[in-house]
Amino acid sequence: GAVVSQHPSWVICKSGTSVKIECRSLDFQATTMFWYRQFPKQSLMLMATSNEGSKATYEQGVEKDKFLINHASLTLSTLTVTSAHPEDSSFYICSARVPGVGTEAFFGQGTRLTVV
Amino acid sequence: GENVEQHPSTLSVQEGDSAVIKCTYSDSASNYFPWYKQELGKRPQLIIDIRSNVGEKKDQRIAVTLNKTAKHFSLHITETQPEDSAVYFCAASVGSYIPTFGRGTSLIVHP
Repeated sequence: GAVVSQHPSWVICKSGTSVKIECRSLDFQATTMFWYRQFPKQSLMLMATSNEGSKATYEQGVEKDKFLINHASLTLSTLTVTSAHPEDSSFYICSARVPGVGTEAFFGQGTRLTVV
Repeated sequence: GENVEQHPSTLSVQEGDSAVIKCTYSDSASNYFPWYKQELGKRPQLIIDIRSNVGEKKDQRIAVTLNKTAKHFSLHITETQPEDSAVYFCAASVGSYIPTFGRGTSLIVHP
């Protein structure tokens, strides 16, 4: 199947700093990528849809200014958690589909963010 | 929008037993139903999926059934093994639109 790579796999940062997470489609071009947040023992909550060359579409309740999404190329989307606070600590996962092929969503390996 | 309910939240079975996870969906337009397996700290991976024009699909020890009228679908795992222990998510979507995920079922297979 298609490969989606996410980096870093884990990060610890100080409260008030910003953290950037990268999501890359390695063997296909993704015009759209999705960012999810997952709390322990809970489901995948869609945060936003990242659109190449245009603004991301955020789900209700997700702060646009706090979770900055950039999708500057067909293979890379980034999520920046700005002014991170301990409550932002979570597991963040991106996913993408192969255009025109099917409906299966391929996930990155996820990023465990811990804000201290 | 779509709402997907998943039960049970936790399922504990003995090795060799069968496990069944059930999901319901609300949007009758949904036509694609994937199941994902997520091991602790890892990415979800597709294990099986079914489309609305099919009632049942099987892949070795895993099978999925779909009842469009009742708007529910189920995952069946037979002859469970300890390595089947993971969190399983069902999802529903209309074609290639963003899937809506269930809350997940933590399956524990005791050796």
